[in-house]
Amino acid sequence: QSVLTQPPSVSGAPGQKVTISCTGSSSNIGADYDVQWYRQLPGTAPKLLMYSNNIRPSGVPDRFSGSKSGTSASLAITGLQAEDEADYYCQSFDTSLGGSLFGGGTKLTVL
Amino acid sequence: QVQLVQSGSELMTPGASVKISCKASGYTFTSHALNWVRQAPGQGLEWMGWINTNTGNPTYSQGFTGRFVFSLDTSVSTTYLQIDSLKADDTAIYYCARAQMNWLDPWGQGTLVTVSS
Repeated sequence: QSVLTQPPSVSGAPGQKVTISCTGSSSNIGADYDVQWYRQLPGTAPKLLMYSNNIRPSGVPDRFSGSKSGTSASLAITGLQAEDEADYYCQSFDTSLGGSLFGGGTKLTVL
Repeated sequence: QVQLVQSGSELMTPGASVKISCKASGYTFTSHALNWVRQAPGQGLEWMGWINTNTGNPTYSQGFTGRFVFSLDTSVSTTYLQIDSLKADDTAIYYCARAQMNWLDPWGQGTLVTVSS
């Protein structure tokens, strides 16, 4: 089945580190397709946060880092800030679907 | 700067058709494909497909064939999404997004389509 699985929610206190996982399969992440991450603030459009697994677009602070291994990827956020509270989505390409695939999204709450 | 600006919200009745637009600026329109993404109320992102801005050839994801049509007008750097025979569960925000290699950036601001009798 072509899905990217994310935890529905994660939380952390200001200053702490959180990690969001994205688990795929042999038809997407495991087929060596890159993983992207998007952040969606409430009421706004998604915005690119990380591309090609671990590359930050200009303007994204180095508190954000990405990694990929096997059929999974992760987004780590250190030094949590209140403004990081948002929904985070992973995305990759899937050979079975012949197109892009998004994870279900993870809601980050800053306690 | 690179920008995608979408048309405004639509309130439609079941069975009608709607056509929403996404106007690109700040780059050569035909140099990047454009994708469409749906987000139902309170739900995640769902990739609908993409359109080749050079050839106009659309590719639709599973679940978005038949009633969904992507089109272009390169003279005004605009792509369109038409949805026919609207149903209540088509109620969603529809986003266009520019393809850059394997990622989507930037995104339009979104167009809310509400289908209600």
